[in-house]
Amino acid sequence: AQSVTQLGSHVSVSEGALVLLRCNYSSSVPPYLFWYVQYPNQGLQLLLKYTSAATLVKGINGFEAEFKKSETSFHLTKPSAHMSDAAEYFCAVSDRAAGNKLTFGGGTRVLVKP
Amino acid sequence: DTEVTQTPKHLVMGMTNKKSLKCEQHMGHRAMYWYKQKAKKPPELMFVYSYEKLSINESVPSRFSPECPNSSLLNLHLHALQPEDSALYLCASSQGGTIDRELFFGEGSRLTVL
Repeated sequence: AQSVTQLGSHVSVSEGALVLLRCNYSSSVPPYLFWYVQYPNQGLQLLLKYTSAATLVKGINGFEAEFKKSETSFHLTKPSAHMSDAAEYFCAVSDRAAGNKLTFGGGTRVLVKP
Repeated sequence: DTEVTQTPKHLVMGMTNKKSLKCEQHMGHRAMYWYKQKAKKPPELMFVYSYEKLSINESVPSRFSPECPNSSLLNLHLHALQPEDSALYLCASSQGGTIDRELFFGEGSRLTVL
């Protein structure tokens, strides 16, 4: 069965500092990996996805993530945080063994300090 | 048009009421989803429709009844709900039912059951 673990339910960063959100996955077959962002009182929006092409994936709003099979990780980074990055971030995994279902991690809430 | 529209945005209902949540997309997507999201938790999959047929039911209680009248519309009929059913209900759509596809989410319908 597939699963996702996000380390840290809350992350606080200063404006302009590096944002690093950690995601580790478990999957018995090659996974598809996603990062979604949820702003307050809104639905989820895709930041980026890994689907077995390049291991370094660039997404919207300056975010990128690197797929590391040996570490079963898909950490999300942004070099310089902006106040508008304050939101909830979800890592998600999907694979064929799970019947085409998307499994979300527990989420990480990002707070950006001025 | 990359929107998924959900109505109503807020709904308050008693345990004996019957109400419906509606979802509409005009992106030509052939898969549509209902998710339930409790506060500070990730979305939980409830139902998946693929090409207007119910393909996944995650053992959801029968007081929740989904309906897909056509490829653009998805309804969730609610009857005899419990207070613990209070949550944000998110609708999503994707181009197909394949697992590497991006999900497009609506802003959700926030349901309160009294």
